Amino acid sequence: DGGITQSPKYLFRKEGQNVTLSCEQNLNHDAMYWYRQDPGQGLRLIYYSQIVNDFQKGDIAEGYSVSREKKESFPLTVTSAQKNPTAFYLCASSIRDNQETQYFGPGTRLLVL
Amino acid sequence: QKEVEQDPGPLSVPEGAIVSLNCTYSNSAFQYFMWYRQYSRKGPELLMYTYSSGNKEDGRFTAQVDKSSKYISLFIRDSQPSDSATYLCAMSESSNDYKLSFGAGTTVTVRA
Repeated sequence: DGGITQSPKYLFRKEGQNVTLSCEQNLNHDAMYWYRQDPGQGLRLIYYSQIVNDFQKGDIAEGYSVSREKKESFPLTVTSAQKNPTAFYLCASSIRDNQETQYFGPGTRLLVL
Repeated sequence: QKEVEQDPGPLSVPEGAIVSLNCTYSNSAFQYFMWYRQYSRKGPELLMYTYSSGNKEDGRFTAQVDKSSKYISLFIRDSQPSDSATYLCAMSESSNDYKLSFGAGTTVTVRA
């Protein structure tokens, strides 16, 4: 089955720790995205990538980093510089020419210990 | 003022009722309008997709876009308990536009 997988489902971060969230897709989509979802707010874009080895900052990139070494994979690192990391993180992908139609993974919930 | 406004609800209806959801927006350049359904602790799934103004129907779901009023709606007919979820509207200016603007979501509960 084609789709997007995210792991882990839950992640706990200690103070000063960097953590990495995994996102893999087998939809053969060129573009991939990371969003953050907080209660009562719309999804906010952290980073996006339209092609391998290229990515751009979204609206709230501070404290996050990404890489795009493979078409299928777009991991997100939440660094210690992100002071309020507790949120639901969603990865999405799309065909590059239809970026308005994005398909989402199941999400990773990040909690701070 | 947010670019996309959506009443968070919550909205509670009896089974079989019509659910009416809406979003307003301020950016007149939006041309693509989407509705996503998100079950608790899951990722959003694309439910409806509409280009420009007009209506689109898919089974029990109808999406309406009124660009002159900057207002979009989603109607769910014959609602079922399985429709209980949060519904997110999203919009973009073009098909090459990576940036989607999301509403905060409306939480709907359909009571059996």
